[in-house]
Amino acid sequence: QKEVEQNSGPLSVPEGAIASLNCTYSDRGSQSFFWYRQYSGKSPELIMFIYSNGDKEDGRFTAQLNKASQYVSLLIRDSQPSDSATYLCASLNTGTASKLTFGTGTRLQVTL
Amino acid sequence: GAVVSQHPSRVICKSGTSVKIECRSLDFQATTMFWYRQFPKQSLMLMATSNEGSKATYEQGVEKDKFLINHASLTLSTLTVTSAHPEDSSFYICSAATVQETQYFGPGTRLLVL
Repeated sequence: QKEVEQNSGPLSVPEGAIASLNCTYSDRGSQSFFWYRQYSGKSPELIMFIYSNGDKEDGRFTAQLNKASQYVSLLIRDSQPSDSATYLCASLNTGTASKLTFGTGTRLQVTL
Repeated sequence: GAVVSQHPSRVICKSGTSVKIECRSLDFQATTMFWYRQFPKQSLMLMATSNEGSKATYEQGVEKDKFLINHASLTLSTLTVTSAHPEDSSFYICSAATVQETQYFGPGTRLLVL
């Protein structure tokens, strides 16, 4: 069973701090990784994707990928209360007809 | 770019009736679309993969005769919940995959079966 694992949280960080969200995956054939944000009662929204080892930055968000350790992370700098949501990590193995394997999500709470 | 719409956003129906949900990729062509279901406080559950011009592939445990999927064009897929029952009440979400296999989600359809 190919799995993506995340700590369910909640992860609580104060406003302005860096939130670090982590994800591990078991399928070594995974080639791309995605971070989605899902607010309560809403559908997931794509934040970033990454497919090369290293860091990828987009505004306050940085995705990190380490294929040797099968580890993906998302850093959110200067966390805001509006960042409070569930963050879903997903992997893609292109041999699986574009199907994503999702983690169960980490709930982030940014406190004032 | 990469906008996916769903219609309707919310539907209430009587038990035994059928409900059709539309999913459209507005600014890109999607060879593959996906249908998910999500119950309150639970994870996304993939129901089926929809490919333009071919039959949908259903996940284990999903009844294909109950959840009819049609992917008539590169921008439109429909999900019909046939003979809906209260246990079918859920949040149904579609996604569309770009050529680079990045999935963008629609806003979802909340179905309530009375």
